[in-house]
Amino acid sequence: AQSVAQPEDQVNVAEGNPLTVKCTYSVSGNPYLFWYVQYPNRGLQFLLKYITGDNLVKGSYGFEAEFNKSQTSFHLKKPSALVSDSALYFCAVRDNTNAGKSTFGDGTTLTVKP
Amino acid sequence: DAGITQSPRHKVTETGTPVTLRCHQTENHRYMYWYRQDPGHGLRLIHYSYGVKDTDKGEVSDGYSVSRSKTEDFLLTLESATSSQTSVYFCAISPEADQPQHFGDGTRLSIL
Repeated sequence: AQSVAQPEDQVNVAEGNPLTVKCTYSVSGNPYLFWYVQYPNRGLQFLLKYITGDNLVKGSYGFEAEFNKSQTSFHLKKPSALVSDSALYFCAVRDNTNAGKSTFGDGTTLTVKP
Repeated sequence: DAGITQSPRHKVTETGTPVTLRCHQTENHRYMYWYRQDPGHGLRLIHYSYGVKDTDKGEVSDGYSVSRSKTEDFLLTLESATSSQTSVYFCAISPEADQPQHFGDGTRLSIL
């Protein structure tokens, strides 16, 4: 079975500071990893993905994530947070042997204060 | 944005009535998914489809059925709605299993 954990329900940072939203996963095969963002009353929007290759993945809006196989983690990062980054963030994993079934974390609410 | 439309966007109904939600895409993507979103549970997969008439169950499929008779439409049916099925339902699409999913804006379903 595959699973995802987002250990923090809420992350608060000041504008201009770096931000990290944590994600750890468990799969039996090789992982496909994704980050999505959700704004109020909207569907999820794709930010970035890791399938294979470089462990540091760059995505939309200045976000990046680092794949760490030994720690089974895929933390989302941004060097300088903006107030407009405030939203709900979801990590998702798909086992490469379990095509079609993604498992999402419970989400982390990011609040960036001016 | 990917062409994906959910209908209706809001629905209020009574326990025991049948309900059908529709997801329509214009992207010709192979995969289509139905999720429900509840506080504290993130998104949970109900059913998904990997082609016309090809569907499989997700982690919370009890009480739900799906059909996909055309590439562009994926229907989710609650045969006899219960209050525990009050939720926000999202449809998503992707061209292949290793590609990101694109989500609709959701259907808010209330069952009284």
